[in-house]
Amino acid sequence: NAGVTQTPKFQVLKTGQSMTLQCAQDMNHEYMSWYRQDPGMGLRLIHYSVGAGITDQGEVPNGYNVSRSTTEDFPLRLLSAAPSQTSVYFCASRTQGINQPQHFGDGTRLSIL
Amino acid sequence: QQPVQSPQAVILREGEDAVINCSSSKALYSVHWYRQKHGEAPVFLMILLKGGEQKGHDKISASFNEKKQQSSLYLTASQLSYSGTYFCGTEIAGGYQKVTFGTGTKLQVIP
Repeated sequence: NAGVTQTPKFQVLKTGQSMTLQCAQDMNHEYMSWYRQDPGMGLRLIHYSVGAGITDQGEVPNGYNVSRSTTEDFPLRLLSAAPSQTSVYFCASRTQGINQPQHFGDGTRLSIL
Repeated sequence: QQPVQSPQAVILREGEDAVINCSSSKALYSVHWYRQKHGEAPVFLMILLKGGEQKGHDKISASFNEKKQQSSLYLTASQLSYSGTYFCGTEIAGGYQKVTFGTGTKLQVIP
């Protein structure tokens, strides 16, 4: 049971390049979320999904796109990378119901030059 | 809106106690607590639901005051392994189960 798998673990991009951060979970969880973590800012919600075909914006959605074509996968796309998007990105999933925790992936460390 | 955590940072000696607070301006459905070690993913500690319950395991416990929309995490007789950054995450009523995290409290336990 792999849990939440994020790829790649590290990436360096140039300004203006595009990229997709991958997130997959094998727990059949309905809810999936993307967060970015910056020093002093905590974990900020970018986008989230409550099921296949359903996504919504979080606190900091600008510059990012998501889609959810399957229950397992929730990719995050940067269409034109900017230095302000340098961050650590975490994907998380949880199942329906009360008392259910978020399960986090190991993170993707992204640097944009 | 991110919940507000306090303090931002705290240094303890082994065996001392600490309290970390989390507050929201919105009506909360639940509060989550996580701990993150440097370079690692956040790890789940506990969830508290509205109803004012208190939970705990080992020497870490938490309470939730739904009238004040506040939660507190209590670390008793701290150990070196408690070092890390603690985050509260909140679900608001009608928020479709999305979890919004605070800015974190960095806890360092020294010998």
